[in-house]
Amino acid sequence: GESVGLHLPTLSVQEGDNSIINCAYSNSASDYFIWYKQESGKGPQFIIDIRSNMDKRQGQRVTVLLNKTVKHLSLQIAATQPGDSAVYFCAESGGTSYGKLTFGQGTILTVHP
Amino acid sequence: DTAVSQTPKYLVTQMGNDKSIKCEQNLGHDTMYWYKQDSKKFLKIMFSYNNKELIINETVPNRFSPKSPDKAHLNLHINSLELGDSAVYFCASSPSLVTNEKLFFGSGTQLSVL
Repeated sequence: GESVGLHLPTLSVQEGDNSIINCAYSNSASDYFIWYKQESGKGPQFIIDIRSNMDKRQGQRVTVLLNKTVKHLSLQIAATQPGDSAVYFCAESGGTSYGKLTFGQGTILTVHP
Repeated sequence: DTAVSQTPKYLVTQMGNDKSIKCEQNLGHDTMYWYKQDSKKFLKIMFSYNNKELIINETVPNRFSPKSPDKAHLNLHINSLELGDSAVYFCASSPSLVTNEKLFFGSGTQLSVL
């Protein structure tokens, strides 16, 4: 889904489908990228990260793709489950901002049984 | 054992009051942070400390004063609370400032200023 006005982007999928969440970043000097999952009432939880010397990294059911040319990051979740429903954030750091993560807007993922 | 723990979980208070939020990490990390999450879920860094030394202060009003008695603790004191301070505040830690690494977040403190 696309964001409208001030609302967070949303993505609704059926259980078992694959999900793709996208993120654009603006800092060309960023060399570290990370995805977090935030469930209601909880803090952000680490999912997967990638450094700028790679363009793909895989975890358990998740894959992160990095396209530095167009400054785009994506998170792919295979066989999405209802427990994957949450807000997903991308974040970046690097250049002169070591130790500081700059977060993207967040995408609400809803998985329907 | 909780890696990054912050208290209280909920904080409801009147405008003009002073309040504190405490944070502790048992991961042995050198660096700790405070992030603010607004009603639109936007997460923004406020402060970072490395081994008790202030590293980042992101133009946060002087009413916010972090204190790090040791590298395992980073508390946040807020004076003269305003309605706009209502948000969820997250503490986080990371191994060091030297290399970019993932942050470990606490479960958040929901502050409501009435």
